[in-house]
Amino acid sequence: QKEVEQDPGPLSVPEGAIVSLNCTYSNSAFQYFMWYRQYSRKGPELLMYTYSSGNKEDGRFTAQVDKSSKYISLFIRDSQPSDSATYLCAMTLSNFGNEKLTFGTGTRLTIIP
Amino acid sequence: DGGITQSPKYLFRKEGQNVTLSCEQNLNHDAMYWYRQDPGQGLRLIYYSQIVNDFQKGDIAEGYSVSREKKESFPLTVTSAQKNPTAFYLCASSTPGQGALNEKLFFGSGTQLSVL
Repeated sequence: QKEVEQDPGPLSVPEGAIVSLNCTYSNSAFQYFMWYRQYSRKGPELLMYTYSSGNKEDGRFTAQVDKSSKYISLFIRDSQPSDSATYLCAMTLSNFGNEKLTFGTGTRLTIIP
Repeated sequence: DGGITQSPKYLFRKEGQNVTLSCEQNLNHDAMYWYRQDPGQGLRLIYYSQIVNDFQKGDIAEGYSVSREKKESFPLTVTSAQKNPTAFYLCASSTPGQGALNEKLFFGSGTQLSVL
């Protein structure tokens, strides 16, 4: 079993819809959770990060962590064609460096105009 | 513009050949990383360096080598010992800090390596 599981998609939704992207994980010690966005043939860029449980909102994006279920989500409201990309979750233990980041496989998202 | 430059964008390797992927950053970051990305797999860490003249193996270092002679440069050599080198290779650097949340990762645009 992989430490981090992420549905690879592809996921296609119409413009304006709410998108829900999810990851599950097996290591209950993970404390820091991140979402990266990767456009085709480009490097990932950090979208959002959260510490422990709870929600965090940034514009149209909301990151949610449910540590009891070992489940994290990224919601995108009012989705735009420019949101079409692969979304990677990543997580690590408390105060560990980037060398300990564990990445999901990524979910490919297409927003249909 | 500050950033990370990877070259070439596409690279082809013949059987038994060593190839070197270039990574240069002008962000003045101390730490640099090499990741490999394969379809259906998450990013996997090959090597990382937190300071000049020092580097550490990541999770999948076999068949790869690196050097860190300058702060801004971290080239990756894919040796002939790497039997399955076809992948998308990503270089990254990070801001100084303590812990992943304080050390934001910046990625280059990647190099696609294929075997002839």
